[in-house]
Amino acid sequence: KNQVEQSPQSLIILEGKNCTLQCNYTVSPFSNLRWYKQDTGRGPVSLTIMTFSENTKSNGRYTATLDADTKQSSLHITASQLSDSASYICVVTRNTGNQFYFGTGTSLTVIP
Amino acid sequence: DAGVIQSPRHEVTEMGQEVTLRCKPISGHDYLFWYRQTMMRGLELLIYFNNNVPIDDSGMPEDRFSAKMPNASFSTLKIQPSEPRDSAVYFCASSLAGVNNEQFFGPGTRLTVL
Repeated sequence: KNQVEQSPQSLIILEGKNCTLQCNYTVSPFSNLRWYKQDTGRGPVSLTIMTFSENTKSNGRYTATLDADTKQSSLHITASQLSDSASYICVVTRNTGNQFYFGTGTSLTVIP
Repeated sequence: DAGVIQSPRHEVTEMGQEVTLRCKPISGHDYLFWYRQTMMRGLELLIYFNNNVPIDDSGMPEDRFSAKMPNASFSTLKIQPSEPRDSAVYFCASSLAGVNNEQFFGPGTRLTVL
C-alpha cells in the first residue's frame, strides 16, 4: 500500500535551536518528494522538490535529505526562528499516473 | 504576478445548497490542481488539469463534485448538493509544464456547510 508517514506529529523547540522532521514512505515507483511549509490560515508553500537521484537540497535554513533506498526523507531546520512555526507536509509523487501521496504533517512551534 | 487567486475566501452555506468555488491560476501556468484539506484527512488532491483538460479526477469524492476549466485563466469546483461533511478548506494550485514542477497554492476557500 502506498503511504507517507511523518514524525513527530508535533514539536516544540526554542528559538535558535535546530530540529529535524522525518518522512517515511512506501510509495512505488517513486517520482519525487516535496516538502511544503504551511502557515496557519494560508496555502502550502514549496520548500524543496527532490527526485530519485538527489540526496540533499537546501533552501536557506531548510535542508532536505532523501535516501531512496530506505525510502526516508528528513527536513532539517537550522537556527530556528519564530516564523518557522507552521505545519510541514511531505508529499510523494508516484511515477505511474503521477499520483500524489500526502503525509499528515508535523506541526512545529518555535517559542522565544 | 498576483499569484493564484481564489474566491470566495470564506463560504457558509446550508446543506443541500449548491456551492461554486473559483480559481484563477498564475498566468502562463498550464497545470491546475484542486485540493481539499481537513483536520481528519489532511491534504487531498481532488482533480488536476493540463492545458484546460482534466487529467486525473480519481480524487473527486463523488458525483456531487464537479470541476471545469473553460479557459487557461479560470477554473471552478462545484458541489451540488452540499453536505456538512464537505466542510473543509479547498485549495487551488498551479504550476508550469510538468506535474513534477513546483506548485503554487492559492490562499484557499474555507467552506462551512451547516
